[in-house]
Amino acid sequence: AAGVIQSPRHLIKEKRETATLKCYPIPRHDTVYWYQQGPGQDPQFLISFYEKMQSDKGSIPDRFSAQQFSDYHSELNMSSLELGDSALYFCASRSRGDTGELFFGEGSRLTVL
Amino acid sequence: RKEVEQDPGPFNVPEGATVAFNCTYSNSASQSFFWYRQDCRKEPKLLMSVYSSGNEDGRFTAQLNRASQYISLLIRDSKLSDSATYLCVVKGGGSQGNLIFGKGTKLSVKP
Repeated sequence: AAGVIQSPRHLIKEKRETATLKCYPIPRHDTVYWYQQGPGQDPQFLISFYEKMQSDKGSIPDRFSAQQFSDYHSELNMSSLELGDSALYFCASRSRGDTGELFFGEGSRLTVL
Repeated sequence: RKEVEQDPGPFNVPEGATVAFNCTYSNSASQSFFWYRQDCRKEPKLLMSVYSSGNEDGRFTAQLNRASQYISLLIRDSKLSDSATYLCVVKGGGSQGNLIFGKGTKLSVKP
């Protein structure tokens, strides 16, 4: 079965650079979530989208922005990268009205040097 | 106070042991509860949902106490393959309620 696809899987950037992460949800899933997981930390909710509109916002820095496109894929844009942005970024998707299970992608590991 | 709090762990147990994880949540409006399992450097995956009446899936038993805002996970007859981090997850109210994760409890099952 198709899963959540994230790209790139690994990304290395310098401080103050920008980065874009992409997420392709499971087909027919209409809701996408972004989570950030730092080393030894629990996943922290950043932002979510439902039907291409932002539905909720968590601890996403102002330097980050995200959107969901007409084909339901989502992109997380990160600018002015800081060392503390180094983390595993998970995208997850689900279908509205579902019991609540989120299906996670394998994550994109961002390293900021 | 964090919305979802778990036993700090780590739990180091021998094969065959029974181990219990506890979790408390602060938002009384929370509607759904889950245990996710996360292997090192991998994505979280749903282990089981937690129902008010309690539920069992093989060696795993989950219980919910809404009055005390408390969730538990019991693993019987631990296997080496159970070694992972177990995340207590709570879904807020509304159909778009986001999942809030606990910090996770690391379990290490030794031969």
